Amino acid sequence: AQSVSQHNHHVILSEAASLELGCNYSYGGTVNLFWYVQYPGQHLQLLLKYFSGDPLVKGIKGFEAEFIKSKFSFNLRKPSVQWSDTAEYFCAVNARNTNAGKSTFGDGTTLTVKP
Amino acid sequence: DGGITQSPKYLFRKEGQNVTLSCEQNLNHDAMYWYRQDPGQGLRLIYYSQIVNDFQKGDIAEGYSVSREKKESFPLTVTSAQKNPTAFYLCASSVRTQPQHFGDGTRLSIL
Repeated sequence: AQSVSQHNHHVILSEAASLELGCNYSYGGTVNLFWYVQYPGQHLQLLLKYFSGDPLVKGIKGFEAEFIKSKFSFNLRKPSVQWSDTAEYFCAVNARNTNAGKSTFGDGTTLTVKP
Repeated sequence: DGGITQSPKYLFRKEGQNVTLSCEQNLNHDAMYWYRQDPGQGLRLIYYSQIVNDFQKGDIAEGYSVSREKKESFPLTVTSAQKNPTAFYLCASSVRTQPQHFGDGTRLSIL
């Protein structure tokens, strides 16, 4: 069975600070990895994804994530956060070599950026 | 615009009552999913369907039922057997293992 662990439940930063949100997964096979974001009052949307190739992937709004296979990690980073990045962030995985797209999500990290 | 429509946005259930949450998509996705979101617990999978007329239980299926008679529709019924139904329910769809697209959610409360 898959599991996803997000280390920080609530992160509070000031604008321009750097961000790193941790995500570790547990699964015996090959996985696809995702970060989703839920802005206040909006639906959950994709921030970035990793399927294969370059382990450093870039997403929308200046976010990036690095897949480190040996550590089973997929941490999300942004060099300088803005007030508009205040949102809840979810890491998710699904099994790559399957037709089933069901994903396992982490518990989420709430990011609050103070202006 | 293509997307997922969930209705209603807010729903209230009386004790012993079954209620049905609607989810419709016009993205032509084969797979659809229902999640329950509780504070601090992320998204937990209730049911999913990879194709019409077929669906599988997720991690927390007890007290819920679904149907998939049409590709674009995947309604969720919260039955009276679900003892703690108060939550935010999210519907999603995808093309196999590609990223999921989500609806705006339905918030269910108990009267």
